[in-house]
Amino acid sequence: GENVEQHPSTLSVQEGDSAVIKCTYSDSASNYFPWYKQELGKRPQLIIDIRSNVGEKKDQRIAVTLNKTAKHFSLHITETQPEDSAVYFCAASKQAAGNKLTFGGGTRVLVKP
Amino acid sequence: DSGVTQTPKHLITATGQRVTLRCSPRSGDLSVYWYQQSLDQGLQFLIQYYNGEERAKGNILERFSAQQFPDLHSELNLSSLELGDSALYFCASSGSGPYNEQFFGPGTRLTVL
Repeated sequence: GENVEQHPSTLSVQEGDSAVIKCTYSDSASNYFPWYKQELGKRPQLIIDIRSNVGEKKDQRIAVTLNKTAKHFSLHITETQPEDSAVYFCAASKQAAGNKLTFGGGTRVLVKP
Repeated sequence: DSGVTQTPKHLITATGQRVTLRCSPRSGDLSVYWYQQSLDQGLQFLIQYYNGEERAKGNILERFSAQQFPDLHSELNLSSLELGDSALYFCASSGSGPYNEQFFGPGTRLTVL
């Protein structure tokens, strides 16, 4: 089955700096790659997603890039703010598998003021 | 608020017992997914139902079972509980397409003593 690796597991940045989280996946048939943000004790919430026919997508301070050949995708957060502190999860899915999400292990991001 | 509801919020029980977790999907969503989040395992897919039928299965233990009812709400039954079953259990729902966002409920925190 699909396997998603996520790095780093923890990331500490100064407010205003950029943060980058990287994920690799194993199943070349995966075609949908969402990113979720989870605050302590709360539900995961989608922050951005990308489909396999797109190489890059941006939404304000957040961007995601996808390299299908290398089977990796990355989340970029620019001008980080203290409220960006949370755990971020990447995930992969494919329609043939019912669109179930296979998650990476998560990255704990701490933005220091 | 994602529109997905889960009850109860918290559940404390003893080893060997059986519990039922309930999920109501967003209005109009036919797919329901169950995920387990434990400290050392991250977010793990358990099972998916689509319009009352089982669609996909993850590494769900034989002691666990689920169903989706005609009104589309779903229940996850956990039996012969062990200490290691203590975790956050999330339900998510989505529409029918291949790129539909999964909306997560607030989760049920299960503590097995």
